Amino acid sequence: GDSVTQMEGPVTLSEEAFLTINCTYTATGYPSLFWYVQYPGEGLQLLLKATKADDKGSNKGFEATYRKETTSFHLEKGSVQVSDSAVYFCALSSTGGFKTIFGAGTRLFVKA
Amino acid sequence: DTAVSQTPKYLVTQMGNDKSIKCEQNLGHDTMYWYKQDSKKFLKIMFSYNNKELIINETVPNRFSPKSPDKAHLNLHINSLELGDSAVYFCASSQDRNVNYGYTFGSGTRLTVV
Repeated sequence: GDSVTQMEGPVTLSEEAFLTINCTYTATGYPSLFWYVQYPGEGLQLLLKATKADDKGSNKGFEATYRKETTSFHLEKGSVQVSDSAVYFCALSSTGGFKTIFGAGTRLFVKA
Repeated sequence: DTAVSQTPKYLVTQMGNDKSIKCEQNLGHDTMYWYKQDSKKFLKIMFSYNNKELIINETVPNRFSPKSPDKAHLNLHINSLELGDSAVYFCASSQDRNVNYGYTFGSGTRLTVV
């Protein structure tokens, strides 16, 4: 079945460092791909998405490119801030299905 | 105005009790979901309703029963609560059953069974 694998955390960075959180997927067909962010004590928020190969999703300085050849959707940000500390979830929409499948989440800590 | 609101935010109860969690969305979305998040942050879908029709019913104990009185509301009733039911339960909605639009989540209900 469809699945999402993301790098284990926690990831600890200093402020202004470059961020990469790796995400790879297994799916039949052509799923849409998402990154969600969960701040402490809150629900998940949609951060960005891409619906077809080579699409780049971007929001709030974060970006990710849908790479079909490597089945990847890595999240990047050029300069992280303390306020980016959160748990980040990679997800895919199952083709022809009606549900979203989430990765295990990667916790990011950013130190001042 | 909160887009997807869940009540209560916290719920502490004893084993064997029956409890309900309520969810309401004011986005005009057609589809709503219940997800369970365990202590390691893993998210698992439980149920989905599209316009009051059940469309996803994952392998969940039948002690869990969802109910959607209209497309803006989705409730979750849990009978005979067990310690393993302790988790955060999230309600979410999407524009329609085409999940490519992404979800809007509520802020969660933390259920603790003692």
